[in-house]
Amino acid sequence: QTVVTQEPSLTVSPGGTVTLTCASSTGAVTSGYYPNWFQQKPGQAPRALIYSTSNKHSWTPARFSGSLLGGKAALTLSGVQPEDEAEYYCLLYYGGAVVFGGGTKLTVL
Amino acid sequence: QVQLQESGPGLVKPSQTLSLTCTVSGGSISSGGYYWSWIRQHPGKGLEWIGYIYYSGSTYYNPSLKSRVTISVDTSKNQFSLKLSSVTAADTAVYYCARNWVWSHDYWGQGTLVTVSS
Repeated sequence: QTVVTQEPSLTVSPGGTVTLTCASSTGAVTSGYYPNWFQQKPGQAPRALIYSTSNKHSWTPARFSGSLLGGKAALTLSGVQPEDEAEYYCLLYYGGAVVFGGGTKLTVL
Repeated sequence: QVQLQESGPGLVKPSQTLSLTCTVSGGSISSGGYYWSWIRQHPGKGLEWIGYIYYSGSTYYNPSLKSRVTISVDTSKNQFSLKLSSVTAADTAVYYCARNWVWSHDYWGQGTLVTVSS
């Protein structure tokens, strides 16, 4: 069973920068896994932020960016805002299959 | 603007079949290049991919659920559906439908809570 691992929780100060990562139990994450990132706030559906490693949707704020870092997919938030406090999920494609990470709870404090 | 809306019973008895429908508006489900997904989220937990379907009917399911899942599409109604058989309390979750396009799950429904209980 493939497992996708994220940091359970992270804390960042307003205006700061934070990087969330997404690792695969099968080895290094590459662009061929087409990493996606989603933001979910309590009581809401997930909102897509990043697809195919680093591509932004039209609604994605500029402070969010995606990359590959040290064999993992990464989501970096620069100039964090209080409204960025949320759960963040990554998603990896394994051929036709899709696996979500367990999520990272980001606290802005 | 594409919109997705889940619908179906909010309460299902154990051992029965859970049935949900996702209605797509603002775009045709038959447009090439789009796959249509079901995802669920157990209370207080993370997201779990269930499977997806192409408008032609080809499907791909989560191996852990494959024996109980059927996803189908009705292009005339611009809808796709989920059936999950032999449900137990462990299938209690919020169920989401989403559009899967160019390796991106971009548009999501608001989700619907399904509780399995007698």
